[in-house]
Formats: sequence, structure tokens, C-alpha cells
Amino acid sequence: AAGVIQSPRHLIKEKRETATLKCYPIPRHDTVYWYQQGPGQDPQFLISFYEKMQSDKGSIPDRFSAQQFSDYHSELNMSSLELGDSALYFCASSLTDRPYGYTFGSGTRLTVV
Amino acid sequence: SQQGEEDPQALSIQEGENATMNCSYKTSINNLQWYRQNSGRGLVHLILIRSNEREKHSGRLRVTLDTSKKSSSLLITASRAADTASYFCATEGTGVDKIIFGKGTRLHILP
Repeated sequence: AAGVIQSPRHLIKEKRETATLKCYPIPRHDTVYWYQQGPGQDPQFLISFYEKMQSDKGSIPDRFSAQQFSDYHSELNMSSLELGDSALYFCASSLTDRPYGYTFGSGTRLTVV
Repeated sequence: SQQGEEDPQALSIQEGENATMNCSYKTSINNLQWYRQNSGRGLVHLILIRSNEREKHSGRLRVTLDTSKKSSSLLITASRAADTASYFCATEGTGVDKIIFGKGTRLHILP
């Protein structure tokens, strides 16, 4: 069965650089979510999209932006990277009535040096 | 914050024993979900229990929900080495489009 696909799996960037993370949700899932998980931390909600429109927003820095495209894939853009942005970034997708919870991708490990 | 604490933060038990993890939350919810995460890997959905349900089973997993106490428990019976992982509860509040994770329990199954 198709899963949530994230790319790249690993990314190393220098401070002040820009990073773009991509997410391809499960086909026919109508909601996409982004989460950030620091080392030893619980996942923190960043932002979600329902049918390509932003539906909820969490503790997402102003340096970050995200969008969902017409083909339902989503991108998380991160600018002026800081050392503290080093984390695992997860994308998840779900159906509106959440019968099976959220399906998470394998994550992108971002390291800022 | 919508989410409270998970209890215990870490748990070590012998293979074959049962493991119980607890989760508390603060606000009204639509559902509560449990996820497993192996070290540095992705989050795997285990089970979802809706606010109008009190108990749910899936294989060796049993989840209870007490909305009056705003708490849930996850029981893993007959634990196996492969159950070693971190377990997170996550709540979906009413009128929101996200789940909020608790701090997680690190479960270690001893051979």
C-alpha cells in the first residue's frame, strides 16, 4: 500500500541557508500535516492543510512557510536556518473523518551546521 | 497546552510481561490516538479511540479512555523484544485540524 513519501531523507544545511522539504500524501487523503521533532522531544505541530487550504497553525516560526499544491503534495520552506532548527520533520496525511488516524512519513532529518 | 503528561516516562519490563502506559490531557477531544516510534524513525499509528468509546482492542493492544478524568491507558500484553520503542499518545481536540502529542513513554523489553 502507498505510504506518505517525504524527501529528502537527510539534509545538511549551513546557518542562514534555505531548505525545502517535500511531502507526498497518500492518494485521496484530504489533509496534510507537518510536525517538528527535536532530539528526545515529542513531535510539535507546525501547520496543516485541508484540500490545499491552510486549516490550522501551530508554533511555526515566521521563517517557515508551507503550501499544498494542486496535486496535493506539500512543501515546507525554511529560511534563515538556525542551529535550533536541526530536527526530524514529519509529514502526515489523513482522511477527514480520521478512521485510521494519521499516517506519517519516515521524516526528513535536517541538520544545520 | 492541550496535552498533559505521559506516565511513566520510561519503563523496563521482562519479555512476556504486560506493559501499561498512561496519558492525561487537558481539553475536550474528538479522539485520542496512540503511536509507536522506534529510535529516530517514523511514527506508526497503533490505535484510535473516539471520545464516545471507553475501550478498544487491537491484537495485543488494549486502550481505555476515561473522558471524565481526561486520561487514557495503553496496555500491551505478552510483551516482546520488538515492542521496545517510544509510545506517544496524541489528542485531536474539538474544532481543530491537528493532533497534539504527549511527552511519550520509552519502553524497554528485557530479554
